[in-house]
Amino acid sequence: QKEVEQNSGPLSVPEGAIASLNCTYSDRGSQSFFWYRQYSGKSPELIMFIYSNGDKEDGRFTAQLNKASQYVSLLIRDSQPSDSATYLCAVNSNTGGFKTIFGAGTRLFVKA
Amino acid sequence: GAVVSQHPSWVICKSGTSVKIECRSLDFQATTMFWYRQFPKQSLMLMATSNEGSKATYEQGVEKDKFLINHASLTLSTLTVTSAHPEDSSFYICSARDLTNTEAFFGQGTRLTVV
Repeated sequence: QKEVEQNSGPLSVPEGAIASLNCTYSDRGSQSFFWYRQYSGKSPELIMFIYSNGDKEDGRFTAQLNKASQYVSLLIRDSQPSDSATYLCAVNSNTGGFKTIFGAGTRLFVKA
Repeated sequence: GAVVSQHPSWVICKSGTSVKIECRSLDFQATTMFWYRQFPKQSLMLMATSNEGSKATYEQGVEKDKFLINHASLTLSTLTVTSAHPEDSSFYICSARDLTNTEAFFGQGTRLTVV
């Protein structure tokens, strides 16, 4: 089992719709969870982080965390074509030393 | 967010030569730095974790004698790809964190092409 799993997509949504991105992780002791956006050929940029169960909202983005289910998601409201990118879920793990583990990423296309 | 500068942004080298990539934290002290490699259309794969003043911890399958990591100061870590071969061509990305943040900040990445 991969440590952090994401659906590779592509996920295609029309402009203005809600895009929902999902991620599961295997290390039950993980405490910190991150969503990064990566454009082709560029380095990832942090969108949001979440530590506690529940929802965390920042502008058009909402991160949701359920530690019991080992599940974290990202909702993008009013999706724009500029949101088209690969979204990486990342989890801080303390197993074998502190490190950040990334999922394979979900490619999102927002159609104008 | 904090700034991490990675240099060079791209490099082309001949097979068999060595290449050094620098990662600098510009406005904070990076107690830990991470080095990732990303092949086209794949995710970031952690290569190694380095703590300032200590030997790097390499992930399984990563050759420590081929990918030399030095983290001699709180603001600089270097990755040297020794005796590079075409299969080492990839996008190498560093990230850094300090003691006060759980999130790490990424450098711009280095596109390495070995010909």
